[in-house]
Amino acid sequence: AQSVTQPDIHITVSEGASLELRCNYSYGATPYLFWYVQSPGQGLQLLLKYFSGDTLVQGIKGFEAEFKRSQSSFNLRKPSVHWSDAAEYFCAVGPLDSSYKLIFGSGTRLLVRP
Amino acid sequence: GAVVSQHPSRVICKSGTSVKIECRSLDFQATTMFWYRQFPKQSLMLMATSNEGSKATYEQGVEKDKFLINHASLTLSTLTVTSAHPEDSSFYICSASPGQGIHLAKNIQYFGAGTRLSVL
Repeated sequence: AQSVTQPDIHITVSEGASLELRCNYSYGATPYLFWYVQSPGQGLQLLLKYFSGDTLVQGIKGFEAEFKRSQSSFNLRKPSVHWSDAAEYFCAVGPLDSSYKLIFGSGTRLLVRP
Repeated sequence: GAVVSQHPSRVICKSGTSVKIECRSLDFQATTMFWYRQFPKQSLMLMATSNEGSKATYEQGVEKDKFLINHASLTLSTLTVTSAHPEDSSFYICSASPGQGIHLAKNIQYFGAGTRLSVL
């Protein structure tokens, strides 16, 4: 079955430190891959997406993600975290069918220490 | 671009009443819209896929008579929670996919800000 795993429920980093949020997927082929961010009480904002080609994708707000086929992973990174990055981060996959659905991971809550 | 407006942002209602939530794509046409439910500190659960001009496709376990979806135009989908009860209290989020070509084919969804429903 298709699934998305975000193994870290919470991550705390100091402001200015680097960040990596993990995402693994289980799917028969390489799906479309997304990272979304959700601030408290808000909807989701698309950070970046991967469809094909260059495995390192750049997104908004200084985020990037790297697709590694051998590890079925799509980890999100940021070299220097800002306090405003504190939020919930969701990894999602888009199956290669006609449903156009997104399957979301369980999310990782990022806390930023001053 | 790609702005999705969801209204209301918060609603409190009495048990047994019905509540309508609107989802509008403001600067693009959305053939397909999605409705999600999110419980506290949990991920998004897809409730249904809303297609303009046709019946919605509900996910397994979602009561279609309880959660009525109407997608009457390319920019508006509504979710009506009928005879709401306290267990329906949740955060409901809609999303919309631009209706053509690369966006629809590649699952890009733009999300509304969500509606917090509290049923007393």
